[in-house]
Amino acid sequence: AQSVTQPDIHITVSEGASLELRCNYSYGATPYLFWYVQSPGQGLQLLLKYFSGDTLVQGIKGFEAEFKRSQSSFNLRKPSVHWSDAAEYFCAVGNQGGKLIFGQGTELSVKP
Amino acid sequence: GAGVSQTPSNKVTEKGKYVELRCDPISGHTALYWYRQSLGQGPEFLIYFQGTGAADDSGLPNDRFFAVRPEGSVSTLKIQRTERGDSAVYLCASSSTSGGGTDTQYFGPGTRLTVL
Repeated sequence: AQSVTQPDIHITVSEGASLELRCNYSYGATPYLFWYVQSPGQGLQLLLKYFSGDTLVQGIKGFEAEFKRSQSSFNLRKPSVHWSDAAEYFCAVGNQGGKLIFGQGTELSVKP
Repeated sequence: GAGVSQTPSNKVTEKGKYVELRCDPISGHTALYWYRQSLGQGPEFLIYFQGTGAADDSGLPNDRFFAVRPEGSVSTLKIQRTERGDSAVYLCASSSTSGGGTDTQYFGPGTRLTVL
């Protein structure tokens, strides 16, 4: 069965520091992987997605993620965090039909 | 252009009542998805439409939940005999093509359902 694990429920980083949010998935075939961000009062917004090809994927707002098949991971990174990045981040795995399985989410707080 | 819209934004009802939640997808999007997000959790898949038909309803928790999309555009999620455990934010998303796994799903702001 497909599943997604985000081990960190809450992370706090200082503004300007680097960020890495962890995501591990379980899926039998080549997964379709996504990162979404959810800000208070806002809908889910896609940051980036991976289907095939280059395992390092660039997204919006300066985010990137790396697919590592051997570790079943798809970690999200950003070199320098801004206060506006404070939000809830969700990793998801999708099947060919489009159904998304989401992780529990990681809440990011940014210290000034 | 207009994004996915959902109405109402908030719905408070009493246990045992019937509710309908509406989703207007992005114009021209053929695939439509419903998810449910409980407090502190990620969204949970409920059902997916391709055009007018439900292509995958494996996430509907029981027969109190039903969804329709009669003209292949607007969709309504219907919940009968609501229970307190149904309280959650109900999210709708749409995507532009075949609903395949590579499509980007665009999410609406959600309907917050509270069952008293």
